[in-house]
Amino acid sequence: ILNVEQSPQSLHVQEGDSTNFTCSFPSSNFYALHWYRWETAKSPEALFVMTLNGDEKKKGRISATLNTKEGYSYLYIKGSQPEDSATYLCAFYVPSSGSARQLTFGSGTQLTVLP
Amino acid sequence: ETGVTQTPRHLVMGMTNKKSLKCEQHLGHNAMYWYKQSAKKPLELMFVYSLEERVENNSVPSRFSPECPNSSHLFLHLHTLQPEDSALYLCASSQASQGGYEQYFGPGTRLTVT
Repeated sequence: ILNVEQSPQSLHVQEGDSTNFTCSFPSSNFYALHWYRWETAKSPEALFVMTLNGDEKKKGRISATLNTKEGYSYLYIKGSQPEDSATYLCAFYVPSSGSARQLTFGSGTQLTVLP
Repeated sequence: ETGVTQTPRHLVMGMTNKKSLKCEQHLGHNAMYWYKQSAKKPLELMFVYSLEERVENNSVPSRFSPECPNSSHLFLHLHTLQPEDSALYLCASSQASQGGYEQYFGPGTRLTVT
């Protein structure tokens, strides 16, 4: 059974603050790590797919880094806004017998940005 | 319609009922998935259909039966469910071929078993 851990479980920040959270995953046999954002009453939305050690990806004020040797990824949000309030999920890819990619999800970090 | 759609959005059923959840993707993807989210638990993969081949999680009870008639449609047939099966059921799709990594999710069906 794969263990994908996310911390913290929940986080409250003030508007304008920068924040970050962690995803830990098995460091052996790494293939890919996904980050998703899940707003209440909406569908999970893909943020990043990271495949190489040292990868750094950015989308607007959100960025992510990857360390496959030690088994962690950080997600950073710069200048948080109320619309960033959501649950942020990471997921570790495991190959299956078919070509589709199977993801094992963490429990998520629930971010609330207070105006 | 764009993206991934799911119907119904909410479903209440008794333990002796039979019902089906439907998912449709309009993205031209080759793989579709069913996930279950129970309260305070991570998203859990139930079934994967890739290029019409099924890969499943062996821990899923037989009272859940998937069907994938083509690459755009996915069903989850439900029969004699238990109250602990009450959860949010999410469908997703992805491009199974090389380079298609992200999964695109539908809005989910909130199922309550009484």
